[in-house]
Amino acid sequence: ETGVTQSPTHLIKTRGQQVTLRCSSQSGHNTVSWYQQALGQGPQFIFQYYREEENGRGNFPPRFSGLQFPNYSSELNVNALELDDSALYLCASSRGTEGIKHGYTFGSGTRLTVV
Amino acid sequence: AQSVSQHNHHVILSEAASLELGCNYSYGGTVNLFWYVQYPGQHLQLLLKYFSGDPLVKGIKGFEAEFIKSKFSFNLRKPSVQWSDTAEYFCAVNTYSSASKIIFGSGTRLSIRP
Repeated sequence: ETGVTQSPTHLIKTRGQQVTLRCSSQSGHNTVSWYQQALGQGPQFIFQYYREEENGRGNFPPRFSGLQFPNYSSELNVNALELDDSALYLCASSRGTEGIKHGYTFGSGTRLTVV
Repeated sequence: AQSVSQHNHHVILSEAASLELGCNYSYGGTVNLFWYVQYPGQHLQLLLKYFSGDPLVKGIKGFEAEFIKSKFSFNLRKPSVQWSDTAEYFCAVNTYSSASKIIFGSGTRLSIRP
């Protein structure tokens, strides 16, 4: 089975710009979660999508938004980029609520640098 | 708010030494507990998990963790580490009140001297 794939792997943007990160969930998984991992920190929950609906959100401002498509792939959009948005963005997928029982399958992440 | 504390930021051990990484969480209700590992250049992988039952859980690669409810702790142990255990280790918790999210600690970097 294929794992979680994220694109691009690295990205450099200028403060104030907008960015879109993409995630393809593992085959058979319909739940996608996004995490932000700043340097030297653990991942922080941004939001989760289940069957194309937002299913929980962390303490991130509205300029962080997302989508999930019918094939369960997902996008993370960040508007008005700030320097502090520089981080590794992780996508994790699971089958329904099984992520709670078995943990999620994580992708390798997108490294975003805002200059 | 729920939180996870990992007090050891960087641990350096020699091969064959015993390992214990500390993890404490703050939440009074029912929790699910996890340890994830991130090897250099690789994605996060689940090492082991606790949901209920025997508080001593065994994971992959000889790791185990013990859930002590009275201490709100879930420490990770391995009797004899190998150079290949060099990685970042994250303790994480999930609660039924916030079922969609996993709360991670800040991580412990483990360096093994060959």
